[in-house]
Amino acid sequence: TQLLEQSPQFLSIQEGENLTVYCNSSSVFSSLQWYRQEPGEGPVLLVTVVTGGEVKKLKRLTFQFGDARKDSSLHITAAQPGDTGLYLCAGAKSGAGSYQLTFGKGTKLSVIP
Amino acid sequence: KAGVTQTPRYLIKTRGQQVTLSCSPISGHRSVSWYQQTPGQGLQFLFEYFSETQRNKGNFPGRFSGRQFSNSRSEMNVSTLELGDSALYLCASSLWGSDEQFFGPGTRLTVL
Repeated sequence: TQLLEQSPQFLSIQEGENLTVYCNSSSVFSSLQWYRQEPGEGPVLLVTVVTGGEVKKLKRLTFQFGDARKDSSLHITAAQPGDTGLYLCAGAKSGAGSYQLTFGKGTKLSVIP
Repeated sequence: KAGVTQTPRYLIKTRGQQVTLSCSPISGHRSVSWYQQTPGQGLQFLFEYFSETQRNKGNFPGRFSGRQFSNSRSEMNVSTLELGDSALYLCASSLWGSDEQFFGPGTRLTVL
């Protein structure tokens, strides 16, 4: 059972365009993280959102956590070729001091110069 | 501060063999998690270790096992390899009490 659904699965856009990637779940998470992964490398953490309704900005990237802490979105303004990669959302559920991340399958973004 | 390191980076094995992968976490990180990444299933959680104890385990067969040493370094072992075990195996470390995980570059395992 895939607890986190990401959409779209693939996205190919021209440099300078805006885009939004979605991450949805029926489960509540203690926090939600976004990662970017490039071919042959491990995922790199971009941001962690914890509070329902929280908005975080990282240069041209804006991350939002849903009010109910079940969903999140990533918006990229004026995409650049360097934004190309696999974007993964991951939900954390904590309990008894143990942490486990559940990942979505990712959105593969290609930004064409 | 050095990141998470994984060895080897690439490995080719044949069906039926066994393999051991190694992970050195970021200094000071005592929690180590392992994930399997495939194109079809994405990243799937294998297990998590903290202070040499397995705290959490994903839904994988018993052929997949792991351990953690007193210096927080971790190994995972896959016995009786199957073709479907071909994947990128990722290790991640974190501070105790933190949800944020820092990943290594992974070990690409190919089973022929």
